[in-house]
Amino acid sequence: GAGVSQSPSNKVTEKGKDVELRCDPISGHTALYWYRQSLGQGLEFLIYFQGNSAPDKSGLPSDRFSAERTGGSVSTLTIQRTQQEDSAVYLCASSLGSRGEQYFGPGTRLTVT
Amino acid sequence: AQSVTQPDIHITVSEGASLELRCNYSYGATPYLFWYVQSPGQGLQLLLKYFSGDTLVQGIKGFEAEFKRSQSSFNLRKPSVHWSDAAEYFCAVALDGTNAGKSTFGDGTTLTVKP
Repeated sequence: GAGVSQSPSNKVTEKGKDVELRCDPISGHTALYWYRQSLGQGLEFLIYFQGNSAPDKSGLPSDRFSAERTGGSVSTLTIQRTQQEDSAVYLCASSLGSRGEQYFGPGTRLTVT
Repeated sequence: AQSVTQPDIHITVSEGASLELRCNYSYGATPYLFWYVQSPGQGLQLLLKYFSGDTLVQGIKGFEAEFKRSQSSFNLRKPSVHWSDAAEYFCAVALDGTNAGKSTFGDGTTLTVKP
């Protein structure tokens, strides 16, 4: 079956523009996570969706970042008024329940010029 | 808050040699511990995890890790490295198994394998 997919794979945007990053989790996976990986750094947790529960947004770095998950499946991470420090690889992962193994997508490389 | 330290940014080993990647964590209670591998151009993959029980855990691709509470460590080992093991390795710690996705990750160790 298909794994986690993310689009676009690469995104270059000008400072101040808004961007949307998309994640398609594995079908049937109830948990979905977004992470940010800056150059030479580990992963930074951003936000977590589990079923119909309210998302855990504790990792979002500022109010310019938001995410939604429609129909318990596809998720979109939106960054408003992008800044150069937002440049990073944004990774999405899904799992079968919150205790399950996470399956990661290939990531979206965001470059803010 | 929990933290994870991977002291070695870069390690080089010869193919066939043994490997140990270090991971130290800071957390008051018994953490949930993970090792992930990120190969070039690919997403992260879980190698192994420790939740409880036997402190020596076996993972995929011939890797194992040992949880040592007294040393706050969870080092990854492999007895004989293959060229395909060249990748970046991340250690992670979570508060509990139900919040595994909110893991705190170390900065990673890049493994180079010499022929």
